[in-house]
Formats: sequence, C-alpha cells, structure tokens
Amino acid sequence: QSVLTQPPSASGTPGQRVTISCSGSSSNIGSNTVNWYQQLPGTAPKVLIYTNNQRPSGVPDRFSGSKSGTSASLAISGLQSEDEADYYCATWDDSLHGPVFGGGTELTVL
Amino acid sequence: QVQLQESGPGLVKPSETLSLTCTVSGGSVTSGSYYWSWIRQPPGKGLEWIAYIYYSGSTNYNPSLKSRVTISVDTSKNQFSLKLRSVTAADTAVYYCARLLIGRLDMDVWGKGTTVTVSS
Repeated sequence: QSVLTQPPSASGTPGQRVTISCSGSSSNIGSNTVNWYQQLPGTAPKVLIYTNNQRPSGVPDRFSGSKSGTSASLAISGLQSEDEADYYCATWDDSLHGPVFGGGTELTVL
Repeated sequence: QVQLQESGPGLVKPSETLSLTCTVSGGSVTSGSYYWSWIRQPPGKGLEWIAYIYYSGSTNYNPSLKSRVTISVDTSKNQFSLKLRSVTAADTAVYYCARLLIGRLDMDVWGKGTTVTVSS
C-alpha cells in the first residue's frame, strides 16, 4: 500500500488533455513539494516535474504540475502516443525523513 | 553528465544477503548537494524507497526495511552500496540507485536498474 494515492489507470486520445491526481497527507504533500516521474516501459523513472510545477530542461511544456493542500495533479495536454507510460508522484515525508511515492498511474493513449 | 550504474548478482537464495553496488561516474559521491539512494520496484508494482546516504556516512532507512538493510559509501571508489539480509521472494525486484538532490528533494539521476530474483 503506497503512502500517496493515485488512480491506477488513465487514458485519452491523441490531442486530448489528461490529468492524474495524487493524494497525500499533512506529513508529506501538505508540507513538502511534489515531484512527478515518468517511467517508459522497461526503463528507469525520469523526473518530469519537480517542486510542484517546474520542468527540467528537455521536458515539453505539454506537461504541467500543480499542488493544493494535501493533493497534487499532473496535467498532460496535446496527448501523444509517446506519452504512454507509468507516472508516479513523489514527495518527502516528514515522519519517514525520506521520499514516498504514489502507486503509479498507467497512462494509455487510445 | 553524471551516470549511475548498478552491479551485483541477479540471483540470490532465500535467507541470504543481497549485495548491490552503485558506481558514480561523471561526478563525485562527495558532493554535499546530494543524498545517494536506493529504490526498488517489484514486478508489476510501484516504487519503494529503501535508504539513502550522505557522503559523510549519515544514513536514513525506510522503517519497513530498516532491520534488514545497510547502506554504505566508499568515497575512494566513488561508489555506494546496499546490503539486504534474510531475503525472501518478496524482495524480488528491480533495484535502482539514484541521486537525490537535497535542495529540491527529487531524484534527478537514476541508474538503469538491476533485476534481482530471490529463488533457490
């Protein structure tokens, strides 16, 4: 059972906008910034969004993140087939003094 | 460009100790800006943080694994390592090493991962 809660799956058609939610608590999302990782099939995760809404260089601006209270969300606009992947939210947990992850959301582009 | 590379046995017998090493290239484990971390992913499941270490040797462990895990750093070899004792089939997973940026608290560089299977 993951500390952060994500929907197990999401889907959309090319060009659509999709959002993925992530819910936590006061000891993690409520008091720390949120990161999002993209894991393409058979590869290691890659940071997609850091500090709630910042994109590393090379990440398209179709990806955006937001946080409110103890929840966060990832939005993907202009969905493309290459966006098919697993997406994980993550943050720091003040109780663990370490990172915690969501269970992951498998995104399917129909 | 910093790169991380995991190494170690791909098969470990139940009750034995899993030992993995992460070699850092293009950068130094003595950088004060990072925690050096281990994360694992069981087949078909999500990510689980195992432990991290600072170059000084300061450590922190996931409480769920703390009694069985030791993380260490070898600055002379620019490596850090993981030992997981008394393994069972539930420890079968892809094990990743990753660099955790202290300021942003995200893992900005990951190794490619190494699959460890626990089986007799």
